[in-house]
Amino acid sequence: DGGITQSPKYLFRKEGQNVTLSCEQNLNHDAMYWYRQDPGQGLRLIYYSQIVNDFQKGDIAEGYSVSREKKESFPLTVTSAQKNPTAFYLCASSPSGSGGASLVIFGPGTRLTVL
Amino acid sequence: EDQVTQSPEALRLQEGESSSLNCSYTVSGLRGLFWYRQDPGKGPEFLFTLYSAGEEKEKERLKATLTKKESFLHITAPKPEDSATYLCAVQENTGNQFYFGTGTSLTVIP
Repeated sequence: DGGITQSPKYLFRKEGQNVTLSCEQNLNHDAMYWYRQDPGQGLRLIYYSQIVNDFQKGDIAEGYSVSREKKESFPLTVTSAQKNPTAFYLCASSPSGSGGASLVIFGPGTRLTVL
Repeated sequence: EDQVTQSPEALRLQEGESSSLNCSYTVSGLRGLFWYRQDPGKGPEFLFTLYSAGEEKEKERLKATLTKKESFLHITAPKPEDSATYLCAVQENTGNQFYFGTGTSLTVIP
């Protein structure tokens, strides 16, 4: 079955540590996204990538970094510069954005907690 | 300014009590409007895409409608398993950006 996998499901980080969240998709989608979800705030875009080896900052990119070396993979690193990283992180993908509306498919999410 | 506003924030219904959720948007050109269902601790699950005013989509007890400035998700005779947060998102004509609302948390009481 096609879909998006995220790992781990739960992640605990000590202050000052960098952590990397994994996201893999087998939908052959060109575009991939990282969102952060906090209670009462909805989804906020961290980074997105429309093609391999290219990505753009979203609304809240500070303290985060990404790479897109393969079409299927879009890992997110939460650095020690992110002051409030405890949140639910969602990876998503969609077909190429040109033309009609592009359905966004979400992964199951990773809950990151800073100890 | 928020591009997508959902109301109410929370809704409690008795089983069988029909109601509607609202999603209003302010983007200048709409490429598509999406409804998702999200259960606690899980990623959003796609429900519907609407493209133009007057369009309607149905799935079991859910029906989504679209006007030029808002969309409604009608829930007919809900069951407890319909309890979830329902998210609305819009995509503009001008690019790939998606704008999400903050969701409506629905609780259906047996």
